[in-house]
Amino acid sequence: KAGVTQTPRYLIKTRGQQVTLSCSPISGHRSVSWYQQTPGQGLQFLFEYFSETQRNKGNFPGRFSGRQFSNSRSEMNVSTLELGDSALYLCASSRDSSGNTIYFGEGSWLTVV
Amino acid sequence: GENVEQHPSTLSVQEGDSAVIKCTYSDSASNYFPWYKQELGKRPQLIIDIRSNVGEKKDQRIAVTLNKTAKHFSLHITETQPEDSAVYFCAAMGRGSGGSNYKLTFGKGTLLTVNP
Repeated sequence: KAGVTQTPRYLIKTRGQQVTLSCSPISGHRSVSWYQQTPGQGLQFLFEYFSETQRNKGNFPGRFSGRQFSNSRSEMNVSTLELGDSALYLCASSRDSSGNTIYFGEGSWLTVV
Repeated sequence: GENVEQHPSTLSVQEGDSAVIKCTYSDSASNYFPWYKQELGKRPQLIIDIRSNVGEKKDQRIAVTLNKTAKHFSLHITETQPEDSAVYFCAAMGRGSGGSNYKLTFGKGTLLTVNP
């Protein structure tokens, strides 16, 4: 069974640009969540989607947004990129209810210059 | 919201020794506590998890204990090997802004080094 797939794996953007990251969950998983990982802040929750609805949101500015499609695939978007947005963005999927095991994708390494 | 504290931040042991990493959480409604291992440049990989209705769980050399009253849980690795060297993260699944338990809050991580 294929794992969580994220694209692109690596990208470099310029300050002020916007970026879209994509995530395909494990087949049968309907919950997709996004995390930002940086050396200083560790793993921080961005948001979680289930059945195309955002169920939970972390403490990130409105420049960070996401969505989920009917096939459970998800995208996250960061607009007006700042240098501090450079990070590893991890997508994770799980079945549907609280307490289900969460599996991470390989992540998308974003560098903002 | 949920707050997870993890200690120590770094841990160095000799091969064959045991390693213990401890975490505390703040939200009494948290009901799921996974541990992830992350090697350099790779994704976090689930190594063991425990749910709030269980006090202890073991999988070969790895065990996790949970004390709901004290709101802390620990990871125990016995007979450590060099390949156990990695960053370990604890996490707690607690109430998110939507009011339901779908938000995973992570500890800051522990860098474990197993010296041969």
